[in-house]
Amino acid sequence: KAGVTQTPRYLIKTRGQQVTLSCSPISGHRSVSWYQQTPGQGLQFLFEYFSETQRNKGNFPGRFSGRQFSNSRSEMNVSTLELGDSALYLCASSLVSRPFNEQFFGPGTRLTVL
Amino acid sequence: TQLLEQSPQFLSIQEGENLTVYCNSSSVFSSLQWYRQEPGEGPVLLVTVVTGGEVKKLKRLTFQFGDARKDSSLHITAAQPGDTGLYLCAGAADRGSTLGRLYFGRGTQLTVWP
Repeated sequence: KAGVTQTPRYLIKTRGQQVTLSCSPISGHRSVSWYQQTPGQGLQFLFEYFSETQRNKGNFPGRFSGRQFSNSRSEMNVSTLELGDSALYLCASSLVSRPFNEQFFGPGTRLTVL
Repeated sequence: TQLLEQSPQFLSIQEGENLTVYCNSSSVFSSLQWYRQEPGEGPVLLVTVVTGGEVKKLKRLTFQFGDARKDSSLHITAAQPGDTGLYLCAGAADRGSTLGRLYFGRGTQLTVWP
């Protein structure tokens, strides 16, 4: 069974631009979560989607948004990029949301903002 | 504020030594997961513990969930260079408003020298 895939793997943007990242979950997984990972803050939760609905959202500004499609694939968008948005963005999928919530991660998208 | 505190933050040891990584919180979790992450890749799930007091063994790795389900530990026996990586603990809170969300510790960077 194929794992979680994320595209692109690497991205370089400049301040003020916007970016869209894509995530394809493991087949059959309907929950997709997004995390931002930086050396200083570790993994920070962005949001989680289940059956095309955002169920949870972390403490990030409105410039960070996402959506999920009927095939469970998900995208996240960051508008008006700032230098501090440089990070590894990780997508994780899970089969069931409770009680164990085991999440399986993709390789991530490395975003660099210049 | 990190819900989960991991210690130590860095660990550098020689091949063959034993080590323990701790993950502590004041919150109760319905389950706790341990991941290992290598540079440029997403975290890989090692184990999930769900019952207070539970002990799970994975070859040379032993995972324990505290009786009160607030803390966990990872013990590695006879560490090998292949164990090098960032070890992350993550907790799932059994509350309706946080379904689908994992709370991560900041990680322990382990380096095992030959």
